[in-house]
Amino acid sequence: QKEVEQDPGPLSVPEGAIVSLNCTYSNSAFQYFMWYRQYSRKGPELLMYTYSSGNKEDGRFTAQVDKSSKYISLFIRDSQPSDSATYLCAMKFGNQFYFGTGTSLTVIP
Amino acid sequence: DTAVSQTPKYLVTQMGNDKSIKCEQNLGHDTMYWYKQDSKKFLKIMFSYNNKELIINETVPNRFSPKSPDKAHLNLHINSLELGDSAVYFCASSPPTGENSPLHFGNGTRLTVT
Repeated sequence: QKEVEQDPGPLSVPEGAIVSLNCTYSNSAFQYFMWYRQYSRKGPELLMYTYSSGNKEDGRFTAQVDKSSKYISLFIRDSQPSDSATYLCAMKFGNQFYFGTGTSLTVIP
Repeated sequence: DTAVSQTPKYLVTQMGNDKSIKCEQNLGHDTMYWYKQDSKKFLKIMFSYNNKELIINETVPNRFSPKSPDKAHLNLHINSLELGDSAVYFCASSPPTGENSPLHFGNGTRLTVT
C-alpha cells in the first residue's frame, strides 16, 4: 500500500464549478499537509500548507484536513481556466515528504 | 530573485555520457533535495542534504552522485547515462522542520537520453 493515495483523474470541469481534490494516507505520524499546483513544464508551486485538522482558506482555495480519517481535500471555488494544472498532495514527517501521484485538472471555458 | 534555480533547463545527451545538474537556493534553507519525476508525474525522492550532510539516500543507482559544496548548493552528477534516466529532475529546499517548513521547488531539468 502506498503511503499517499490520490486519484490521478483526469478531471474536467466547466468554468465556475467547484472542484474537490482528495488524498488519503496511511501513516498517522504525518504532521504537515500540503497542496502543490504544477503547470506543464514548471516546478510544483506551493498552494496550501496546514498542520492541524480543520479548514484553511486562501482566496478561492480551501484545504481541509481530517486526521482521524487520514483524509485531506482541496476545494477550488469558481474555478478558472488558469486553474488547469496537475495538483499534488504531500505530507511531511521529519525531513521526509511523501507525495500523491497528482490529479490532472482541466477547467473548460 | 529566483528562490530555487537549477541549470540546465533542458539536457539532451547520448547513452553512456556523464552529465551534471546544478542547483542553488537563496532562501537560506538548511535542507536541499533531489527528486525525479516520471512521465506519470510521480515525484520520487532521491537524495537530501542538511547543511552539507547527506541525510536521505534512497535506492538510487550508484551512477547518481550528489554533492553539496555549501548549504545553498546541491549538484547532481550522473555517470554512464541510460535510457531509463530520462525524466524531469527537480531540486527543492525547505527550512528546518517546524510549523512552517514546506518544500520549495525549482523549475526542473528535463533530461532526455537518446
